[in-house]
Amino acid sequence: EAQVTQNPRYLITVTGKKLTVTCSQNMNHEYMSWYRQDPGLGLRQIYYSMNVEVTDKGDVPEGYKVSRKEKRNFPLILESPSPNQTSLYFCASSLSTGVDEQFFGPGTRLTVL
Amino acid sequence: AQSVTQPDIHITVSEGASLELRCNYSYGATPYLFWYVQSPGQGLQLLLKYFSGDTLVQGIKGFEAEFKRSQSSFNLRKPSVHWSDAAEYFCAVAPLGSGNTGKLIFGQGTTLQVKP
Repeated sequence: EAQVTQNPRYLITVTGKKLTVTCSQNMNHEYMSWYRQDPGLGLRQIYYSMNVEVTDKGDVPEGYKVSRKEKRNFPLILESPSPNQTSLYFCASSLSTGVDEQFFGPGTRLTVL
Repeated sequence: AQSVTQPDIHITVSEGASLELRCNYSYGATPYLFWYVQSPGQGLQLLLKYFSGDTLVQGIKGFEAEFKRSQSSFNLRKPSVHWSDAAEYFCAVAPLGSGNTGKLIFGQGTTLQVKP
């Protein structure tokens, strides 16, 4: 089944404790992206990647890192999480560009205490 | 500034009634336009998109949307709503030339509740 998977689905952590949210797609998509969803703000792009080893900042990159060492994986790293990073996070992928249909993962709900 | 506005935060309709969800955008030129749906606990799914051509586009699940350049709008419609349509709906735009960045600008979302 074609899908985007994220792990973990739920995470509660404390300020400053490094964490990684994994994202994997099995559709051989070149483009991958991370969004955060906050009430009343819709989704905002954090980082995106056009292909392996090619990543760039979105609208709200502060406090986040990403890497794209393999085509299928695009982990989101929070080196020192803070409470304002409490949010619902979505990974998405598309065939080659961002205006192709984006396929979204199920989301990761992160709470930083 | 570029923006997408969904004026209705929450809409309630009766099952079988028609539905229209509003979306307005603010850009210098016509962007690429999308509607996504998010069912509870799920990721987003593309309903339909408009790039150019016929201004009335058909999507999945019986949805359609009409692009009106004069009003900078891209409203989503469905003639008869089903209980399973209860979800959150997001309008999104991608400015021309943003294909490489994939920078979708999302509206705030409209939550649809369906009454039996």
